[in-house]
Amino acid sequence: QITLEESGPTLVKSTQTLTLTCAFSGFSLTTHGVGVGWIRQPPGKALEWLALIFWDNDKRYSPPLRNRLTITRDTSKNQVVLTMTNMDPVDTATYYCAHRSFSSSGGAFDVWGQGTVVTVSS
Amino acid sequence: DIVMTQSPDSLTVSLGERATINCKSSQSLFSSSDNKNYLAWYQQKPRQPPKLLIYWASTRESGVPDRFSGSGSGTDFTLTISSLQAEDVAVYYCQHYYNTPQTFGQGTKVEVK
Repeated sequence: QITLEESGPTLVKSTQTLTLTCAFSGFSLTTHGVGVGWIRQPPGKALEWLALIFWDNDKRYSPPLRNRLTITRDTSKNQVVLTMTNMDPVDTATYYCAHRSFSSSGGAFDVWGQGTVVTVSS
Repeated sequence: DIVMTQSPDSLTVSLGERATINCKSSQSLFSSSDNKNYLAWYQQKPRQPPKLLIYWASTRESGVPDRFSGSGSGTDFTLTISSLQAEDVAVYYCQHYYNTPQTFGQGTKVEVK
C-alpha cells in the first residue's frame, strides 16, 4: 500500500524559506518510471503543479517558480523535500505531494498525501 | 506551457441525470509513439485531496464506479458521469502529463439540483 505524508511549518513569514517534507512508503523512488510531485492549492482555488522528481533524479519545475523551488530526494529515508524561497502571502495554500508511476497510471498522480496547510504572514 | 481549459466552471444536475465536463488543451496530448492521450481526470471533495478517476483519457482507475467515463483525443476531452449520485458532488479537474509543467484545468464544480 502506497502512502505519502507531508510535513512542515504551518506558518511562515514573508521572505522566509519554506521547507516541506514528503515521507512515503510502499514504493521505491529508484524504480523505473516512478516519481513524486508537489502540487499546491490556494484556499478556494484550483490545483497548481509545482515540481516533480523522477526515479533517475531528473527534476522538473513550474517555469514561473523555477527560481524559487528546489526538489530533492533522500532514497535511504524515503523522503522528498521541497524548498521554496522568498515566501509571500500569495503562497498561502495547501501543499500536496503525490506519487506517479508510468506502469500503474501512466504518469498521472494516483496516490496523494492529505496535504499540509501553509500560511504566509506579512 | 500547455494550457488546460475546462467548461463549464460549474454544473447543476439532478440525481440520476448525466453530467458532462469538457476539457480543452492548447496543444495535442496524443502521442503517436504509443497511441495514447496523456490526460487525467481527478475528483476533489471538500477538505480532501484529489482522487484519480481516469488516466490515458479513458482508462478508469481501479475502484472507480463505471458511471464515470472519459473520452476524447488530441485537444478535446470529456468526463461523463452517466447517472449522478449524491456522493459525486465535488470539483473535477483535468490534468495533462504529456510534458512538464503538467498543468491542471481550473476545475468544474458539480452540484445537485
